[in-house]
Amino acid sequence: GENVEQHPSTLSVQEGDSAVIKCTYSDSASNYFPWYKQELGKGPQLIIDIRSNVGEKKDQRIAVTLNKTAKHFSLHITETQPEDSAVYFCAASKGTGGGNKLTFGTGTQLKVEL
Amino acid sequence: DAGVIQSPRHEVTEMGQEVTLRCKPISGHNSLFWYRQTMMRGLELLIYFNNNVPIDDSGMPEDRFSAKMPNASFSTLKIQPSEPRDSAVYFCASSLVTGGQSGYGYTFGSGTRLTIV
Repeated sequence: GENVEQHPSTLSVQEGDSAVIKCTYSDSASNYFPWYKQELGKGPQLIIDIRSNVGEKKDQRIAVTLNKTAKHFSLHITETQPEDSAVYFCAASKGTGGGNKLTFGTGTQLKVEL
Repeated sequence: DAGVIQSPRHEVTEMGQEVTLRCKPISGHNSLFWYRQTMMRGLELLIYFNNNVPIDDSGMPEDRFSAKMPNASFSTLKIQPSEPRDSAVYFCASSLVTGGQSGYGYTFGSGTRLTIV
């Protein structure tokens, strides 16, 4: 089955700096890569996603890049703010052909310090 | 829309007792997923349904776990008998799959924090 690895497990940045979280996946058939943000005591919330037919997607301060050849994708957060502090999860899916089933990475605890 | 609704939010029960977790997906969504989250194992998929039909239950730990989806607006996850190692946060998520080959994002509920003592 699919295996998703995520690094780093913890990341501490100063407010205003950029943060980058990286993931690799094993199944070349995967074609959908969402990112989730989980705040304490809440369920994961979808913040951005990318499909395999594009290499980059941006939404305000958040961007995701995808390298299908290398089978890795990354989340970039610019101008970080204290409210960005949370656990971030990457995930991969083979789409409807795989039942829309997501395999998650192990998470990155991001701390934005004042 | 109120989102995915899970109940109870917290459950503490004694080992050996039956536990039932409940989920109401977003109206109109046609896929429902049950995940378990622990520090050691992260987010694990237990089972998922498409159009109320169980598709893949290979993640269900053992026969003590069972899940049902009697209609499009309700699902249960049952543990009988419960054991301390079942302690975790259990999430329900739903999704609308409209066709095509690519994937679709999930909406997660707030989870049920289960503690077996």
